[in-house]
Amino acid sequence: NAGVMQNPRHLVRRRGQEARLRCSPMKGHSHVYWYRQLPEEGLKFMVYLQKENIIDESGMPKERFSAEFPKEGPSILRIQQVVRGDSAAYFCASSPQGDSGNTIYFGEGSWLTVV
Amino acid sequence: AQSVTQLGSHVSVSEGALVLLRCNYSSSVPPYLFWYVQYPNQGLQLLLKYTTGATLVKGINGFEAEFKKSETSFHLTKPSAHMSDAAEYFCAVSTSGSYIPTFGRGTSLIVHP
Repeated sequence: NAGVMQNPRHLVRRRGQEARLRCSPMKGHSHVYWYRQLPEEGLKFMVYLQKENIIDESGMPKERFSAEFPKEGPSILRIQQVVRGDSAAYFCASSPQGDSGNTIYFGEGSWLTVV
Repeated sequence: AQSVTQLGSHVSVSEGALVLLRCNYSSSVPPYLFWYVQYPNQGLQLLLKYTTGATLVKGINGFEAEFKKSETSFHLTKPSAHMSDAAEYFCAVSTSGSYIPTFGRGTSLIVHP
């Protein structure tokens, strides 16, 4: 399967711990997006990255959240000192280039539960 | 700025009936419009998209949508609902120069036997 791969699919963390979510884009794709989905709220944009570059992080909370997309390896969304309100589904998507007409392709999501 | 409004968080139809899911967008420049479907505990899958050209767009699973500029709408339709169509449907918009699609809140389609 050459689709967008996310792991882990499910993650449980205690309050105050760190969560790391990984995303490998589709083959040939150099752009990655992270969205968060909360019940009844739809998909909220978080961050848009190109390899080694954050293009737009206007949707990221100012504290505790960070994202990277290194030259080698997957994109990582990192949440430090998690709180119960961070419990959500986190979706990664990728596209082949920064073209607004391009489709973005989603992964299966990572479900974070904070207890 | 771009935005999307999906009218109705839940739509209920009988199997075999017409499906109509409404989407209105706001954009100061020509939009690119998308419909995605999400099945429980899964990611989003593209149903169809409009970029330029023909305003009636056909997608997978018998769905189609029509771009109406005068109404700023991109409603999704299917002539005959099937039980397997039960899912969450998301409308999204992006624009030239904006690489970040904005999604609506989603509409849950319920299909009754």
